[in-house]
Amino acid sequence: QVQLQESGPGLVKPSETLSLTCTVSGGSVSSGSYYWSWIRQPPGKGLEWIGYIYYSGSTNYNPSLKSRVTISVDTSKNQFSLKLSSVTAADTAVYYCARQGPIAARPFAFDIWGQGTMVTVSS
Amino acid sequence: DIQMTQSPSSLSASVGDRVTITCQASQDISNYLNWYQQKPGKAPKLLIYDASNLETGVPSRFSGSGSGTDFTFTISSLQPEDIATYYCQQYDNLPLFGGGTKVEIK
Repeated sequence: QVQLQESGPGLVKPSETLSLTCTVSGGSVSSGSYYWSWIRQPPGKGLEWIGYIYYSGSTNYNPSLKSRVTISVDTSKNQFSLKLSSVTAADTAVYYCARQGPIAARPFAFDIWGQGTMVTVSS
Repeated sequence: DIQMTQSPSSLSASVGDRVTITCQASQDISNYLNWYQQKPGKAPKLLIYDASNLETGVPSRFSGSGSGTDFTFTISSLQPEDIATYYCQQYDNLPLFGGGTKVEIK
């Protein structure tokens, strides 16, 4: 079955760029049936959608983060990635990657999630 | 922007009880609402999509209803393994999650 796994540094300094990668196994990021999303959850708080990418490279971002977010896809590695620039302590959170869809039936249902990775912003 | 109000923020119930959680949207979102379960330290799990459709493999004691601005999530008979935080999520425009409801056993 399809599995997602986040990877990347667990500690990022303020003002630097947070970079995470999600590796998809058991399925293909090139599937035209799904979007691929990033979602985060600050400690003890709720969920915040960051953005999604389609295999073609088209993206959609949360307006509140749009100026700092870049999501990209590497179909050759079956991965998609998140970059969040100019981070502050407020960006400390568990970051999840998730599959979204199928687009034709339920385009905004997050049906498969990675286990999540904690990223702390601190000097 | 659409606002989502989920209530209550927490509840305590006995095993076997019927549990109800509500989610209210600030404007009509048709049936564009999903429900998730998140256990401590785990990723959320999709339970209900399009307001009332049970995700494959999810026990039938979970159900959802509603359309427009008012939605309800129900556990018909609370089980010990249902202890979790539950989130609604709308997608009329862009995905937005409710604040969550923490369900505990009394």
